[in-house]
Amino acid sequence: QKEVEQNSGPLSVPEGAIASLNCTYSDRGSQSFFWYRQYSGKSPELIMSIYSNGDKEDGRFTAQLNKASQYVSLLIRDSQPSDSATYLCAVPNRDDKIIFGKGTRLHILP
Amino acid sequence: DTGVSQDPRHKITKRGQNVTFRCDPISEHNRLYWYRQTLGQGPEFLTYFQNEAQLEKSRLLSDRFSAERPKGSFSTLEIQRTEQGDSAMYLCASSYDPGTGRGPFYGNTIYFGEGSWLTVV
Repeated sequence: QKEVEQNSGPLSVPEGAIASLNCTYSDRGSQSFFWYRQYSGKSPELIMSIYSNGDKEDGRFTAQLNKASQYVSLLIRDSQPSDSATYLCAVPNRDDKIIFGKGTRLHILP
Repeated sequence: DTGVSQDPRHKITKRGQNVTFRCDPISEHNRLYWYRQTLGQGPEFLTYFQNEAQLEKSRLLSDRFSAERPKGSFSTLEIQRTEQGDSAMYLCASSYDPGTGRGPFYGNTIYFGEGSWLTVV
């Protein structure tokens, strides 16, 4: 089992709709979870972090964490064409080594 | 604060040549990470430093790869005798770790540079 798993997509979502991106992780002891956005040919940029079970909202973005199910998700409301990118889920291990998923390609349809 | 800086941004080299990448972390960041990313994959861990100490080197790296951070500030990643399979984007990231129990595992964020693209022909 891979440590951090994401559906590679592409996930196509109409403009204005909600995009839902999912990530599962294998280390039950994981404490912190990060979502990065990466445009083609660019480096990852931090979108959100979450540490506690439940939801965390920041503008159009909501991160959801369920540690019992080892599941973290990112919701993007009112999707815009500029949201088209690859979204990376990242989970640090106890040695502070950050493990990334393969990323989910999101395509917002105008 | 100028962010994480990487140089060169692009490098084209012939197979068998050596290449070196440099990373300057955010000022006062004591943690520095190197990742490699190929098309369609997430960043793959290579190595990381706490100040000048190299904490771990990925088993995926062959002996052709070496990284240093001699004074705990900038870092270099050298690839010797490059192969076509080394073509990738090499990412550097940094963070500030104030001490035990305060690193990324507990939520401390890492910040990426813009990456260095390597093409081996």
